[in-house]
Amino acid sequence: DIQMTQSPSSLSASVGDRVTITCRASQGISNYLAWYQQKPGKVPKLLIYTASTLQSGVPSRFSGSGSGTDFTLTISSLQPEDVATYYCQKYNSVPLTFGGGTKVEIK
Amino acid sequence: EVQLVESGGGLVQPGGSLRLSCAVSGFSVSTNYMSWVRQAPGKGLEWVSVIYSGGNTYDADSVKGRCTISRHNSKNTVYLQMNSLRVEDTAVYYCARGGPGSSYASWGQGTTVIVSS
Repeated sequence: DIQMTQSPSSLSASVGDRVTITCRASQGISNYLAWYQQKPGKVPKLLIYTASTLQSGVPSRFSGSGSGTDFTLTISSLQPEDVATYYCQKYNSVPLTFGGGTKVEIK
Repeated sequence: EVQLVESGGGLVQPGGSLRLSCAVSGFSVSTNYMSWVRQAPGKGLEWVSVIYSGGNTYDADSVKGRCTISRHNSKNTVYLQMNSLRVEDTAVYYCARGGPGSSYASWGQGTTVIVSS
């Protein structure tokens, strides 16, 4: 099975900082990569699909890139409301594995 | 409006069974991939099961042989039958629209399963 590895597992940054989260697949998954945001106590929310397509209603400070095995989620200017845990997920085929998550906090 | 509403969670002893339900409105479960995803307390998201529009089902290794996903088309509801429950199955279980080739754009609010003696 393909493993999904996120890094870092947590980060602390200042408001306005550029934040980058990485997701690596152990084998190529083309662009079948999604990013989700989960705020404390809330349901996960789809941010990005097909590696770089912004879900409707998601602020443009979020962006995604990558293909094959290496993917990136970028928050161009971190806002207080972005405090959350972010997960990547491969969805090319079963198993539909999630990464371990990256917890983002404000410094 | 798309809505997914889970129910059926609760407290169960190890070795016991539960059936979770996900009642859907706004789209048809029979023509979409439908999945179950769980989250243990303080842990990350874990994919559990998926049912294809054609009826094929696939399960994570962690629940294979113990959990079965199914659907009732006329009730527009998806189920997760969970047998031989273990302490490590304790989690919030989410129903989501999506599967291979289709990310999870819609989620239910979750239902909590606690396996404890």
